Amino acid sequence: DVKVTQSSRYLVKRTGEKVFLECVQDMDHENMFWYRQDPGLGLRLIYFSYDVKMKEKGDIPEGYSVSREKKERFSLILESASTNQTSMYLCASSFRTAHNEQFFGPGTRLTVL
Amino acid sequence: QKEVEQDPGPLSVPEGAIVSLNCTYSNSAFQYFMWYRQYSRKGPELLMYTYSSGNKEDGRFTAQVDKSSKYISLFIRDSQPSDSATYLCASNTGGFKTIFGAGTRLFVKA
Repeated sequence: DVKVTQSSRYLVKRTGEKVFLECVQDMDHENMFWYRQDPGLGLRLIYFSYDVKMKEKGDIPEGYSVSREKKERFSLILESASTNQTSMYLCASSFRTAHNEQFFGPGTRLTVL
Repeated sequence: QKEVEQDPGPLSVPEGAIVSLNCTYSNSAFQYFMWYRQYSRKGPELLMYTYSSGNKEDGRFTAQVDKSSKYISLFIRDSQPSDSATYLCASNTGGFKTIFGAGTRLFVKA
């Protein structure tokens, strides 16, 4: 059974804190993605990676960075959390050319106070 | 204008009804058209996808794409309470970026 796991389901942080969200996939997928999901806006791509140590900006990268040191792990970093980063964060993965199918994790609901 | 537009609903139907979910898109370069289903407190999962125009059927679900009108549809026959979820349409040009609609919440009442 294919699996994408995220380190936390719920997270509460204070403004200005550095926040790490971890994602691990066990499907040997080359591509990994970080999205945020907000009501009325749908899923918006923050960053993606198509290989170890490779990263590309998505549509809303400001205030975020990522790290991919191992193929199975993709981390999202909020350098200095702000209240407008309160959201549901979803990690996904896919095979290199299978752009029509992404496998999602359960999400992390982050609240920044 | 968003590249993929979707009515957020909610849409409430009785069990057994035929459900029609729709999206419009603006990018003529989109080639892949997907429908994801998202249950409450879960991540989205791929329901089905269509390449270019046409219909695709999988059990009670039928996906339609009309590229001439830039219209994407998902039909659910004999809807069940277990179909209650948020349905996300999505499109892709064949590259890394997939554009998602905002999702339509569907409630199927027993």
